[in-house]
Amino acid sequence: GAVVSQHPSRVICKSGTSVKIECRSLDFQATTMFWYRQFPKQSLMLMATSNEGSKATYEQGVEKDKFLINHASLTLSTLTVTSAHPEDSSFYICSARSGRINYGYTFGSGTRLTVV
Amino acid sequence: AQSVTQLDSHVSVSEGTPVLLRCNYSSSYSPSLFWYVQHPNKGLQLLLKYTSAATLVKGINGFEAEFKKSETSFHLTKPSAHMSDAAEYFCVVSAYTGTASKLTFGTGTRLQVTL
Repeated sequence: GAVVSQHPSRVICKSGTSVKIECRSLDFQATTMFWYRQFPKQSLMLMATSNEGSKATYEQGVEKDKFLINHASLTLSTLTVTSAHPEDSSFYICSARSGRINYGYTFGSGTRLTVV
Repeated sequence: AQSVTQLDSHVSVSEGTPVLLRCNYSSSYSPSLFWYVQHPNKGLQLLLKYTSAATLVKGINGFEAEFKKSETSFHLTKPSAHMSDAAEYFCVVSAYTGTASKLTFGTGTRLQVTL
């Protein structure tokens, strides 16, 4: 079945530095990828939607200059948290979808970001 | 617009007894509905999905859900709970509007299974 690989699974960084999270679709072409943020014991909040070769669409309230998303190929999307602060600490999950029909969402295993 | 309401934030059952996790949805378009399970510090695993085919959907690990349009519900059930079922469960709705499609998550239900 469809597999999405997300790396790293866990990262600790210092305040002010940037962190890049990768999301790869291993056995299918992902025309659309989604990035979510999950706070402890809460649901997933969509941050942005990215389509291959075009700019990401950010949800209201998400700073696009802080959370840089690149979807340069049909199998890779990256989320870069720039100038990280402790309040950016969270669980980030990507999801990939192929085609236009409403099925086929596959999720990565998530990245636990801790900013110290 | 679309939304999902998971009626219980926490459900506790004894091992071997039935599981019922409730979900109601609203959508302006014909929705697709999903149930996902998440174990601690892990990603989401798809349990089952409804995409306008049979209204009773069977998923993995013995779970099933029934789409009831008249009640706008998509409750998740399992006849007999197992300790390994303890996790967070998310009901999710998606609707393709012709130009865009995205998932809307419920707030989650934490399933506890006791001996």
